[in-house]
Amino acid sequence: EPEVTQTPSHQVTQMGQEVILRCVPISNHLYFYWYRQILGQKVEFLVSFYNNEISEKSEIFDDQFSVERPDGSNFTLKIRSTKLEDSAMYFCASGEGQNYGYTFGSGTRLTVV
Amino acid sequence: QKEVEQNSGPLSVPEGAIASLNCTYSDRGSQSFFWYRQYSGKSPELIMSIYSNGDKEDGRFTAQLNKASQYVSLLIRDSQPSDSATYLCAVNNWNFNKFYFGSGTKLNVKP
Repeated sequence: EPEVTQTPSHQVTQMGQEVILRCVPISNHLYFYWYRQILGQKVEFLVSFYNNEISEKSEIFDDQFSVERPDGSNFTLKIRSTKLEDSAMYFCASGEGQNYGYTFGSGTRLTVV
Repeated sequence: QKEVEQNSGPLSVPEGAIASLNCTYSDRGSQSFFWYRQYSGKSPELIMSIYSNGDKEDGRFTAQLNKASQYVSLLIRDSQPSDSATYLCAVNNWNFNKFYFGSGTKLNVKP
């Protein structure tokens, strides 16, 4: 069964450092998303991406965050200057269409120390 | 106002029983409704989608939607210990650009 692949599975970084989280969505999917889940809390929307541009972003997705689809297969989330409160599980997801459920990757656990 | 509300549980049911999970949402413009299952430390896994009022059955799972009451539910028949997980209700926003997730209901199925 097709899957969404995320790397790394766990990233530890120092506060103020830049991190890039990588995702390979399912190949025929057109819609891409990043969500995050702080330990013990709900899954929170960060950003949606379609046709090489951001469709919508949340208040969490401030100027420190950016997304890119550099080569037609990878989809990346960059956090420029990490804060302690950025520590969370980050999930990439992709979907065939806006009105369909989407498939989540296995997540990257980001720990900012 | 919370967009999607779920009882956090835990909901405990004996093996073989029916588990009933409920969700309410606030955006009347929502068109798509989903149930995800999340095991501890893992990513959400899509188990059911529903778009029209009424019931939709898939194996042991039945999703129910009542748009007038802004209510979605999931029934799990013949519950198994392997069904023990957190069940997340997800609802699309009015322009389909994102899902709102509830905080999830933790289900424990006791052997």
